[in-house]
Amino acid sequence: GAGVSQSPSNKVTEKGKDVELRCDPISGHTALYWYRQRLGQGLEFLIYFQGNSAPDKSGLPSDRFSAERTGESVSTLTIQRTQQEDSAVYLCASSGNGYEQYFGPGTRLTVT
Amino acid sequence: DQQVKQNSPSLSVQEGRISILNCDYTNSMFDYFLWYKKYPAEGPTFLISISSIKDKNEDGRFTVFLNKSAKHLSLHIVPSQPGDSAVYFCAASVIGNEKLTFGTGTRLTIIP
Repeated sequence: GAGVSQSPSNKVTEKGKDVELRCDPISGHTALYWYRQRLGQGLEFLIYFQGNSAPDKSGLPSDRFSAERTGESVSTLTIQRTQQEDSAVYLCASSGNGYEQYFGPGTRLTVT
Repeated sequence: DQQVKQNSPSLSVQEGRISILNCDYTNSMFDYFLWYKKYPAEGPTFLISISSIKDKNEDGRFTVFLNKSAKHLSLHIVPSQPGDSAVYFCAASVIGNEKLTFGTGTRLTIIP
């Protein structure tokens, strides 16, 4: 497809379970970002991948959060032992040579 | 520490009038600014940007103004249309670092 895609679109999980969220960036985009938006709040930066460089993990809120990216394609954000405060919309974005980031539709995570 | 602030969580404007959305920042290293628009259940979409060497950038009905001394930028939409109803996020970056810092957003409602 032409845009950034994310799956699943919605995920409901029980507290303590692990979840994996997937992002397919725009083909050819070297940069990939993960953000989180909690209810009523702004976009919170989580992690940034740029080409083959080491990722910028400075936004990850705890060691329960991790992300991987395969080359310059798919990325997976994993949350282990989910907590209720992890409930949010998780957004992925990619960019090419510019500063404009192109966002996917997000994954709405609900931890019960 | 909120480095990018949008102090108005919501704004209502009559159709056909001008909408003015404001954004303030604290980090003097920021030198590139973007506005994104977000509809419910969709990811944010890029609207318009401005670099610090300019004080104005215009694209159709959308104009962004930058006042570096005041660390303030604004987005003007004129004339406002019902389809402009959305949440608008201001974002900032340091040139050379593609990571964006987002504000908390302003919900714009255009009243027909």
